[in-house]
Amino acid sequence: QSALTQPASVSGSPGQSITISCTGSSSDVGSWNLVSWYQQYPGKAPKLMISEVSKRPSGVSNRFSGSKSGNTASLTISGLQAEDDADYYCCSYVDSSTHWVFGGGTKVTVL
Amino acid sequence: QVQLVESGGTVVQPRGSLRLSCAASGFIFSGYAMHWLRQAPGKGLEWVAFIRFDGSDKYYADSVKGRFTISRDNSESTLYLQMNSLRPEDTAVYYCAKGPSVWTSMADYWGQGTLVTVSS
Repeated sequence: QSALTQPASVSGSPGQSITISCTGSSSDVGSWNLVSWYQQYPGKAPKLMISEVSKRPSGVSNRFSGSKSGNTASLTISGLQAEDDADYYCCSYVDSSTHWVFGGGTKVTVL
Repeated sequence: QVQLVESGGTVVQPRGSLRLSCAASGFIFSGYAMHWLRQAPGKGLEWVAFIRFDGSDKYYADSVKGRFTISRDNSESTLYLQMNSLRPEDTAVYYCAKGPSVWTSMADYWGQGTLVTVSS
């Protein structure tokens, strides 16, 4: 069982917006602004999409945005495109013992 | 551009040992922390180990503590993972990844991974 909880799947039509939630606890997501989001295609390496809750790395489309409220972080994809069809994982720093934990992943399907 | 190339993955018997390597280029390797992470077949991502830029601190997931050792050679821009007492549940694609400037934030670049299969 993953430490962070994500929905198994989210779907949307091209052009729509979708939001993926990542629920943790006051020990991880709620304590730190250190949530990252990764996109992964089958057989490929994960790619960083959002760091430190809401920072978008250079080269990542501005259709991707991150936020956090309490113990839940969220990734929003606006203007959904076929290329967004992939798996998405959240990750949070925890503490000096556990260090980092991931969510179980969310399969995004573009209808 | 940042490049991370893992090698060393193979089929190994339970209780066996294996050393993975990760050759880094495109950035100042000695200036950044590094991670090893893994992904079992059909499963999610799991953080495995971390090493500071100068090797002064090393952290491990409970699932590998006491069996795996992370190390680095900054003169060769290479990261290593020594894996001992391997178990079937260690079967996974192992990724090396570069830490960002804020070391407590998870990795910003990942290699393509190397497959380790633990089976008799």
